[in-house]
Amino acid sequence: GQQVMQIPQYQHVQEGEDFTTYCNSSTTLSNIQWYKQRPGGHPVFLIQLVKSGEVKKQKRLTFQFGEAKKNSSLHITATQTTDVGTYFCARGSGNTGKLIFGQGTTLQVKP
Amino acid sequence: DADVTQTPRNRITKTGKRIMLECSQTKGHDRMYWYRQDPGLGLRLIYYSFDVKDINKGEISDGYSVSRQAQAKFSLSLESAIPNQTALYFCATSAYSNTGELFFGEGSRLTVL
Repeated sequence: GQQVMQIPQYQHVQEGEDFTTYCNSSTTLSNIQWYKQRPGGHPVFLIQLVKSGEVKKQKRLTFQFGEAKKNSSLHITATQTTDVGTYFCARGSGNTGKLIFGQGTTLQVKP
Repeated sequence: DADVTQTPRNRITKTGKRIMLECSQTKGHDRMYWYRQDPGLGLRLIYYSFDVKDINKGEISDGYSVSRQAQAKFSLSLESAIPNQTALYFCATSAYSNTGELFFGEGSRLTVL
């Protein structure tokens, strides 16, 4: 259906290690958004990807949109304790304006 | 002050009670949403509204109703709460734009005993 699958569900890393979360869909995505939710907080928008093969960077975060527009990834280089939280991808649903979220990947960083 | 405000922030109630969660926004956005968050299930869309006269069901609308009283206000009601409606509820808004970025409230934690 319209769902997006995110893997892994949980990831524990040592501070300084890299981290990647993946978002996969069985159907072509018109766009993909990424959000971060800190523990006890609310989701906050990070970025939107629209174009096939698009790559965007925000400091240590790299976002990619697959060539076939069926998958996306978020990569964090050299994690810090401030990166702790749950990362969600969300797909747009055609022209409806709805956003359908993945299950999220929860990142724990050991100092 | 927060741009998207939810009340109450925490609520404990009993099975069968009627509950209303309220959301107000000062962002001037037309689009408003209610999501439910459960561990391991992400955020699931309950209802959404693109203007005062437009209400749409989301993925999991059964057991819920909504009211868009004004552009800035969107409330979620549980007519007869049941324990599996225990969850964290988020209201969100977005502008009609290419980005479609959602702005979330701080959440309302509901426990149904």
